[in-house]
Amino acid sequence: AQSVTQLDSQVPVFEEAPVELRCNYSSSVSVYLFWYVQYPNQGLQLLLKYLSGSTLVKGINGFEAEFNKSQTSFHLRKPSVHISDTAEYFCAVSETGGSYIPTFGRGTSLIVHP
Amino acid sequence: EAGVTQFPSHSVIEKGQTVTLRCDPISGHDNLYWYRRVMGKEIKFLLHFVKESKQDESGMPNNRFLAERTGGTYSTLKVQPAELEDSGVYFCASSPYRGQNSGELFFGEGSRLTVL
Repeated sequence: AQSVTQLDSQVPVFEEAPVELRCNYSSSVSVYLFWYVQYPNQGLQLLLKYLSGSTLVKGINGFEAEFNKSQTSFHLRKPSVHISDTAEYFCAVSETGGSYIPTFGRGTSLIVHP
Repeated sequence: EAGVTQFPSHSVIEKGQTVTLRCDPISGHDNLYWYRRVMGKEIKFLLHFVKESKQDESGMPNNRFLAERTGGTYSTLKVQPAELEDSGVYFCASSPYRGQNSGELFFGEGSRLTVL
């Protein structure tokens, strides 16, 4: 069974600063990886996903993530954040060849200060 | 195209009462999922429907929870009788098909349940 660890429950950052949200996963088989974002009073929406190929994945709103198989990580980065990036970010993993049902982490609240 | 809709957005009930949450998936999506998030914790899988059939209900906490998806369209999740630990946000998600979809889900805004 797979699992996801998001070590940081909250990440405060100033506007225009870079940010990295950490995600580590555990699985005995190959995986697909996802980052979802939840803005206040909205549902989760897909930010980006890694299925195969290039380990650097670019998503919406200037976010990107890098799949590191040896470190079982899929950290999310943005070089310069905006106030509107304030939201909760969830990392998720699903196993290839299995049920494809994603397992989510506990989320990281990104708080961007002016 | 309408997204996944959930009703009610917020429900406050007393311990021992019954609550029914409803989810309308995106039209044409055969797969429907229920997840729950207890405050500050991970979003935990409850169950998965493919059309009207329960494909995986391994995440259902106990027999106080009953999910249905009549006709393979909307789904309901009933909690009876509700307990304090059932409080949380219940998310519904849908996807068009398995495998090739690779786990990408489309979520509703969630139904917040508060049990007093």
